[in-house]
Amino acid sequence: EDKVVQSPLSLVVHEGDTVTLNCSYEVTNFRSLLWYKQEKKAPTFLFMLTSSGIEKKSGRLSSILDKKELSSILNITATQTGDSAIYLCAPPQGGSEKLVFGKGTKLTVNP
Amino acid sequence: DAGVIQSPRHEVTEMGQEVTLRCKPISGHDYLFWYRQTMMRGLELLIYFNNNVPIDDSGMPEDRFSAKMPNASFSTLKIQPSEPRDSAVYFCASSLKSSNTQYFGPGTRLTVL
Repeated sequence: EDKVVQSPLSLVVHEGDTVTLNCSYEVTNFRSLLWYKQEKKAPTFLFMLTSSGIEKKSGRLSSILDKKELSSILNITATQTGDSAIYLCAPPQGGSEKLVFGKGTKLTVNP
Repeated sequence: DAGVIQSPRHEVTEMGQEVTLRCKPISGHDYLFWYRQTMMRGLELLIYFNNNVPIDDSGMPEDRFSAKMPNASFSTLKIQPSEPRDSAVYFCASSLKSSNTQYFGPGTRLTVL
């Protein structure tokens, strides 16, 4: 059965810290992996990763995929209180358009 | 460009009542997904459609739940009769097959008393 494990489940940091969020996956016929940010509303799309070793970057956020290790990381540098959210990773299920969501990492950034 | 639109944003009803949630996907998207999110179970896929046809409804909890997509710009999720354990946030999302990227609507927060 396809599954996604994210770690840590919860993280509390101070503004300015750098954080690394982890996502491990087991899916058949892997095609891509997506990261979403969810504040007090709907998940919003951050990145889609398809190739190993190629970093995707958006401002202070960056993400990279390691197909050999079946994992991905999301880095946030110089965190701000506005980064407080649940971060979800999700690869599509093999042969399907369904996304397999992890439980998420709840990030809290304190001033 | 408008994103995914859902209505109502909040719904409070009593046990046994029928509830209908509505969704308008992003124009041109050919996939539509219905999710339910609770603290206990996280984000669960209920059903998804491709070109208005239901593809996988294995996540629909029971016969009380039904979903339709009569055309490319509208879908409904119906719960009849509703129960307190159905209380959750229900999200609709849409995507283009070529992208795999799902875009979520703002959600409907359902409370069943």
